[in-house]
Amino acid sequence: DTEVTQTPKHLVMGMTNKKSLKCEQHMGHRAMYWYKQKAKKPPELMFVYSYEKLSINESVPSRFSPECPNSSLLNLHLHALQPEDSALYLCASSLKGVYVNNEQFFGPGTRLTVL
Amino acid sequence: DQQVKQNSPSLSVQEGRISILNCDYTNSMFDYFLWYKKYPAEGPTFLISISSIKDKNEDGRFTVFLNKSAKHLSLHIVPSQPGDSAVYFCAALLTGTASKLTFGTGTRLQVTL
Repeated sequence: DTEVTQTPKHLVMGMTNKKSLKCEQHMGHRAMYWYKQKAKKPPELMFVYSYEKLSINESVPSRFSPECPNSSLLNLHLHALQPEDSALYLCASSLKGVYVNNEQFFGPGTRLTVL
Repeated sequence: DQQVKQNSPSLSVQEGRISILNCDYTNSMFDYFLWYKKYPAEGPTFLISISSIKDKNEDGRFTVFLNKSAKHLSLHIVPSQPGDSAVYFCAALLTGTASKLTFGTGTRLQVTL
């Protein structure tokens, strides 16, 4: 298994809903990432987990809550989002821990629309 | 402050010819560079990387060149194929900064028949 998978592919939610995005990899990668990408912009880092511990939180609002239940899974819990949070949410993983330069491999993303 | 810049938002190249995508950076401490390809509504796909101790890395049709003194890197695709049409992002890493990729703004490559 050489890929990062994300579910769901598309998600539409209201501002009062609670939903979760899921990311999974079975490559034995030790670091996992959440990015947000708006149209015609590069991806922006949100969170980094290294060895299942939160290493970076890029000052993301608390309505986004990450969780790393084990080394293969990464969740992003969403609550009380705003329409401006509509974007493509990308998960990535890398083989080594985050303080070593190594390539990040991205999943296909979840297209989130907040109404 | 955009530390990684791709000054050409778009590039059109004929099939079979060479595509050259450019990237400039301002932070001389960056020591690892990557290129990603992205199709619409998909995640970026890793293409090739280069460490700052090298000036060239080659993988099949893709070659990345790094000029540290000019703070410039380029991606050469030879020969270009229609399937190469996508947005290309360069990205930079700084050792010890928890793998925080700094992405450029992207260049849209169109390979025409």
